[in-house]
Amino acid sequence: QKEVEQDPGPLSVPEGAIVSLNCTYSNSAFQYFMWYRQYSRKGPELLMYTYSSGNKEDGRFTAQVDKSSKYISLFIRDSQPSDSATYLCAMAKENEKLTFGTGTRLTIIP
Amino acid sequence: ETGVTQSPTHLIKTRGQQVTLRCSSQSGHNTVSWYQQALGQGPQFIFQYYREEENGRGNFPPRFSGLQFPNYSSELNVNALELDDSALYLCASSFRTDNTGELFFGEGSRLTVL
Repeated sequence: QKEVEQDPGPLSVPEGAIVSLNCTYSNSAFQYFMWYRQYSRKGPELLMYTYSSGNKEDGRFTAQVDKSSKYISLFIRDSQPSDSATYLCAMAKENEKLTFGTGTRLTIIP
Repeated sequence: ETGVTQSPTHLIKTRGQQVTLRCSSQSGHNTVSWYQQALGQGPQFIFQYYREEENGRGNFPPRFSGLQFPNYSSELNVNALELDDSALYLCASSFRTDNTGELFFGEGSRLTVL
């Protein structure tokens, strides 16, 4: 079993819809949780960063961490075609390097 | 501010050959990490360099080696290439070695091993 599980999709939604992306993990020692966005033929870029549990909002993006369920989510409101990309969850234990999910490929249909 | 740059962007090698990939870190960043991203997979940590020393290594064999130079640029060397080494190799720089610093990724070097 992988430490981090992420549905690879692909996921297609109409423009303006709310998108929900999720990851589950098995290691309760994970403390740092991140979401990266990767456009085709580009490197990943950090979208959201959360330490431990709770919610974080940045514009149209909201990240949630539920450590009791070992489940993290990224919500995108009012989705735009420019949001079409692969979304990678990543997490890490204290003093260890990031473990990434496989990524979910998202397409927003105009 | 100059971002992370990697070279070459694409290359093709044959099994058994050796390859060197290069990375220039973002200005002000003293830490460089290398990741391997196979097709349809997330990036996997190879190793990190901080002040010219290896500072952590993932589950990769010794034929994967690296260097960091005084200007913080870095190289990834892979010997005795195997077909499974075909992947996108990503370099990421940061100003911290722990997880509180954002990783800034380059666009990657896409390696194909035939």
